[in-house]
Amino acid sequence: SAVISQKPSRDICQRGTSLTIQCQVDSQVTMMFWYRQQPGQSLTLIATANQGSEATYESGFVIDKFPISRPNLTFSTLTVSNMSPEDSSIYLCSAAGGTGTYEQYFGPGTRLTVT
Amino acid sequence: EDKVVQSPLSLVVHEGDTVTLNCSYEVTNFRSLLWYKQEKKAPTFLFMLTSSGIEKKSGRLSSILDKKELFSILNITATQTGDSAVYLCAVEFQRSGYALNFGKGTSLLVTP
Repeated sequence: SAVISQKPSRDICQRGTSLTIQCQVDSQVTMMFWYRQQPGQSLTLIATANQGSEATYESGFVIDKFPISRPNLTFSTLTVSNMSPEDSSIYLCSAAGGTGTYEQYFGPGTRLTVT
Repeated sequence: EDKVVQSPLSLVVHEGDTVTLNCSYEVTNFRSLLWYKQEKKAPTFLFMLTSSGIEKKSGRLSSILDKKELFSILNITATQTGDSAVYLCAVEFQRSGYALNFGKGTSLLVTP
């Protein structure tokens, strides 16, 4: 299974600022995704991070608000831009397709609080 | 519209009991169904099911998929307090590179 790390693990940010979350996988993977889990809710897909091209966003999420980079097969970043308290959430990255199977593994998450 | 429905939403049992968690789905271009256990932050992978009728087992946990009736169950036998967690069912669909569509989860509490 892939081992995934995220930085930072948590942060408290002021409204109007931006935060970039990093996701590192210990092996090359085909697919990487970003999810959001709001308090008491299940996980919602934000976007698929495509290596070498623009991310594919789900309905309700836009690139200007959540720009994503994926420069190679082991690393991706998600930026939460112009934050508001409604962005307070846990942000998780996941990866799949690293070892010939498509089991999807998750990073430890980043707990973001916007004040 | 794609959807994944889990039941029950919450469950309280005593140690030693056996529990069955349910997951039904309606997803276009179904690829697989996954079960996760979430205790604090990150969901921990349990099973990935792609074929009907083939049970997957790991210790006291087992799961099976019925692609005709569009549901899966997760069984936990001889429950322990360490099984207390939210169990998430997710369906993988071929729309955005096999991303996951999650159910709301079943919150399981095992009491001593």
